Amino acid sequence: AQKITQTQPGMFVQEKEAVTLDCTYDTSDPSYGLFWYKQPSSGEMIFLIYQGSYDQQNATEGRYSLNFQKARKSANLVISASQLGDSAMYFCAMRRFTGGGNKLTFGTGTQLKVEL
Amino acid sequence: DAGVIQSPRHEVTEMGQEVTLRCKPISGHDYLFWYRQTMMRGLELLIYFNNNVPIDDSGMPEDRFSAKMPNASFSTLKIQPSEPRDSAVYFCASSFRGQTGTQYFGPGTRLTVL
Repeated sequence: AQKITQTQPGMFVQEKEAVTLDCTYDTSDPSYGLFWYKQPSSGEMIFLIYQGSYDQQNATEGRYSLNFQKARKSANLVISASQLGDSAMYFCAMRRFTGGGNKLTFGTGTQLKVEL
Repeated sequence: DAGVIQSPRHEVTEMGQEVTLRCKPISGHDYLFWYRQTMMRGLELLIYFNNNVPIDDSGMPEDRFSAKMPNASFSTLKIQPSEPRDSAVYFCASSFRGQTGTQYFGPGTRLTVL
């Protein structure tokens, strides 16, 4: 069975600072993908970034980067230069590539608050 | 390109009434997912389709819930009869099997059952 763990229910960061949101996962599959989604207070789920288990380099998308440590089974999201608009709930998710279809397993989320 | 479209965005109904939620996936996507989100239970996968065929409905809570996908561009989630505990935000998402399989979510339908 797969499991995603996000141990930080809430985080605070000062504007313009960097912040790391933790995500650990558990799977026995050799091939999988890891995703981060953002859910602002308006409610929509926004895809941010993807990391494949065989990707050699950590994924980056603008101010978002994924600190992927395969041996430790962690896929932490790093947001650089935080902005007020980054205040939202952030979900980590995983997809198995062998037999899992396109199903995602989600973590419980981390609520990020960016302060002035 | 248009994203995933859901309607209605908000629905308020009374207990016992039938509720139908609608979803139009992104054109070309071959997977469609229905999720429910509540404060207590978080984000739950209810059912998903591949090429219009239901693959896994193990998350559907009760027989009161049913989902159909008559064609590649339309799906419905029906609750009959509705109960107050069905109040939640219902999301539809779609993805393409190839590449990363990233799921793209619709804006959600906020359902309130009185």
